[in-house]
Amino acid sequence: SQELEQSPQSLIVQEGKNLTINCTSSKTLYGLYWYKQKYGEGLIFLMMLQKGGEEKSHEKITAKLDEKKQQSSLHITASQPSHAGIYLCGAAMGRDDKIIFGKGTRLHILP
Amino acid sequence: NAGVTQTPKFQVLKTGQSMTLQCAQDMNHEYMSWYRQDPGMGLRLIHYSVGAGITDQGEVPNGYNVSRSTTEDFPLRLLSAAPSQTSVYFCASSYAGSYNSPLHFGNGTRLTVT
Repeated sequence: SQELEQSPQSLIVQEGKNLTINCTSSKTLYGLYWYKQKYGEGLIFLMMLQKGGEEKSHEKITAKLDEKKQQSSLHITASQPSHAGIYLCGAAMGRDDKIIFGKGTRLHILP
Repeated sequence: NAGVTQTPKFQVLKTGQSMTLQCAQDMNHEYMSWYRQDPGMGLRLIHYSVGAGITDQGEVPNGYNVSRSTTEDFPLRLLSAAPSQTSVYFCASSYAGSYNSPLHFGNGTRLTVT
């Protein structure tokens, strides 16, 4: 979707390195979701953010929603081969509105 | 709970054929939606519903019909399949006021139109 821009589109990092994926909207977001997808498989829910400034962590993955609720970042610390896959951000663009997704970021981890 | 169940898992159609992709959830979710996933395109919203009897178009609705006669079911119909509809289709559901809860996804249906 053009309404949600993810960057970078693709990322190759050495195992053990940190990385950040961004998700940006021109509109205020009413809920921001991060999902992970192993190649050729289903979607795994990572985190959901609702409030401006909110930050959540799960194992070595941290996601934050900025104060204006228009941008979110997902940060992986000390990356591992298990982190490889496609990361998708999704968002509700209005109250009780449809949920759309960005084009995804393909993450490759080099051993 | 079974969660979101999609059938079939795989389907091959010939151009012009029709079919229905089934989606059912047992979580009493008001919100249900259909996405298609193509390489490099992320998830694109086809149609969505905020409750029984209510449906609305998403980003790429052309060529697809939906209905929502019950809370549990949200079938997606292809009236005349085209090769451009070759894709992986995901159904998802959540509680209404969608930003309050995560989307629960089905395992997907891989459709090939020849």
